[in-house]
Amino acid sequence: IVLTQSPGTLSLSPGERATLSCRASQSVTSNYLAWYQQKPGQAPRLLIYGASTRATGIPDRFSGSGSGTDFTLTISRLEPEDFAMYYCQQYGSSPPLTFGGGTKVEIK
Amino acid sequence: EVQLLESGGGLVQPGGSLRLSCAASGFTVDNYGMTWVRQAPGKGLEWVSGISGSGGTYYADSVKGRFTISRDNSKNTLYLQMNSLRAEDTAVYYCAKPNESSGYVRRPIDHWGQGTLVTVSS
Repeated sequence: IVLTQSPGTLSLSPGERATLSCRASQSVTSNYLAWYQQKPGQAPRLLIYGASTRATGIPDRFSGSGSGTDFTLTISRLEPEDFAMYYCQQYGSSPPLTFGGGTKVEIK
Repeated sequence: EVQLLESGGGLVQPGGSLRLSCAASGFTVDNYGMTWVRQAPGKGLEWVSGISGSGGTYYADSVKGRFTISRDNSKNTLYLQMNSLRAEDTAVYYCAKPNESSGYVRRPIDHWGQGTLVTVSS
């Protein structure tokens, strides 16, 4: 399954709403879709799994939605620490599991 | 506390070999579907290989036949043997643990190591 993330870069100001898209080339089994955040020089961090379940300790300004082939990560009000790269990953099909190409959320 | 500590990275010539290790603590590796994920400089994440709790192994097409994943339960350590290395294998390699102990590789990753850099160059 190929995952296509859009946009490639999102330029927003703190306090604004961010909407990130992840589209799959075929339906993701059981909506097994995760979102990760990665900051420079750090390992990724799990934000969302099962398309919409927040991981432990993730603030409720992060939410995931979608099903089938279209998924969305929404950050309701951007905090300074939210400016980072975001990746989606599908884990519903047999390995290899795949990541999207990423969306960079940058300060406008 | 869960910890994953990778080692074994470094500079290697094209065609050479390296073995990466990932020493785990705070959990037992054979209860989880463990994976290796890599990230080339300035690029995105790429799933490389996984080993299930039952010992089944899985590989990305880009490394199949060249890389071998394994684990030593007595040492609670995951390995990635990398042979016939190419320039395009240059990346930070992360050891990763999923968020549940089902033993399946097909699970989201909630713990990552700090990564170890592999550079393939002459």
